[in-house]
Amino acid sequence: QVQLQESGPGLVKPSETLSLTCTVSGGSIRTYYWSWIRQPPGKGLEWIAYIYYTGITNYNPSLKSRVTVSVDTSKSQFSLKLSSVTAADTAVYYCVYSYGVKWGQGTLVTVSS
Amino acid sequence: ETVLTQSPGTLSLSPGERATLSCRASQSVSSSYLGWYQQKPGQAPRLLIYDASSRATGIPDRFSGSGSGTDFTLTISRLEPEDFAVYYCQQYGSSPYTFGQGTKLEIK
Repeated sequence: QVQLQESGPGLVKPSETLSLTCTVSGGSIRTYYWSWIRQPPGKGLEWIAYIYYTGITNYNPSLKSRVTVSVDTSKSQFSLKLSSVTAADTAVYYCVYSYGVKWGQGTLVTVSS
Repeated sequence: ETVLTQSPGTLSLSPGERATLSCRASQSVSSSYLGWYQQKPGQAPRLLIYDASSRATGIPDRFSGSGSGTDFTLTISRLEPEDFAVYYCQQYGSSPYTFGQGTKLEIK
């Protein structure tokens, strides 16, 4: 069964770039597509983007100007970069298989100076 | 963008009772690509139902989904203590994928 694990800094300064990586295990990353979803503390879920293992991407228009997702099939990893962060980007970030079939445990990223 | 509206916001029921949760879309959901998730405090969401009515792997048969077009329902036939949580619907038929605001199912 596929497992996903997020990694990256838990604290990012305002105006800087948030960078997270998701490592896929227990299955091949060369299947279907992989997503990033976030959840601000105490709030609902927001889809950020997805990427196919081929590199094809799709972004949420609300974040598109600041988001980049990439995939490294040799490492079974995919990544998220979110630039020019503000306090509004503070959230638990989840990496997800497909639209939501399997989720990582999530990682809290706080934007604060 | 497809806006999903869930109702009620909070549902108070007792174990053994039947729960009916609603999700209404602002436009028709393509190919009934609608999912339901359960989220407990401190945990990631878990997929319960996909494609509006198919149970995900390992999900008990007391959970069922129905609907098409713009109106969808999640039914829990007999509530177990572990079912009290927040439930979200999500459409993945058109980009951007969107979620409802959630329904909190609490013990009465």
